[in-house]
Amino acid sequence: EVQLVETGGGLIQPGGSLRLSCAASGFIVSNNHMNWVRQAPGKGLEWVSLIYSAGTTYYADSVKGRFTISRDNSKNTLYIQMNSLRAEDTAVYYCARLLAPAGHYAFDIWGHGTMVTVSS
Amino acid sequence: DIQMTQSPSSLSTSVGDRVTITCRASQTISTYLNWYQQKPGKAPKLLIYAASILHSGVPSRFSGSGSGTDFTLTISSLQPEDFATYYCQQSYTAPPYTFGQGTKLEIK
Repeated sequence: EVQLVETGGGLIQPGGSLRLSCAASGFIVSNNHMNWVRQAPGKGLEWVSLIYSAGTTYYADSVKGRFTISRDNSKNTLYIQMNSLRAEDTAVYYCARLLAPAGHYAFDIWGHGTMVTVSS
Repeated sequence: DIQMTQSPSSLSTSVGDRVTITCRASQTISTYLNWYQQKPGKAPKLLIYAASILHSGVPSRFSGSGSGTDFTLTISSLQPEDFATYYCQQSYTAPPYTFGQGTKLEIK
């Protein structure tokens, strides 16, 4: 079964760091374009970061310089290292696969999400 | 960045109704437009990609149309399981992959 499972969320103080993990099953992370998308409480979806299968990475302006996306091929797992966390980073963080059916990129597989709360 | 604007933000509807949700892009995006459904406490699910192509397993009562800057998601006959929030998302100039603010379907 194709599946993504996120872990690592929790309560963290402003300025702190946290690393989220996303374990994949049913497909190979390194052969796919993988993303992090977040959703603040009661708000909409916000794309956060992307790592292409070739390894190129991209970030939303709101997290650039603070977050780092990476993957461990041996563990088939995606990560995001979040530093200098702010209250506005509080959200459910989803990992999602980006596929290009018919040449149009779309997020076809999503994890269940992990909650990150930044508060003192 | 391309901005995506959905309307309405919320809609009170009844089972059996025909529902149309609109999404407008701040610049032309051809047909690089996707629709997602999200239920409370759950991850989003892909419904439609390339503006009008149904993702695998999505019921045929869902349909999408549009190109350029204006797009619609239509549910032909609303079912109880369709009460959810719907998001559009562009993949024309990306990253960033921008989403609309969402449209919440509520039971009348």
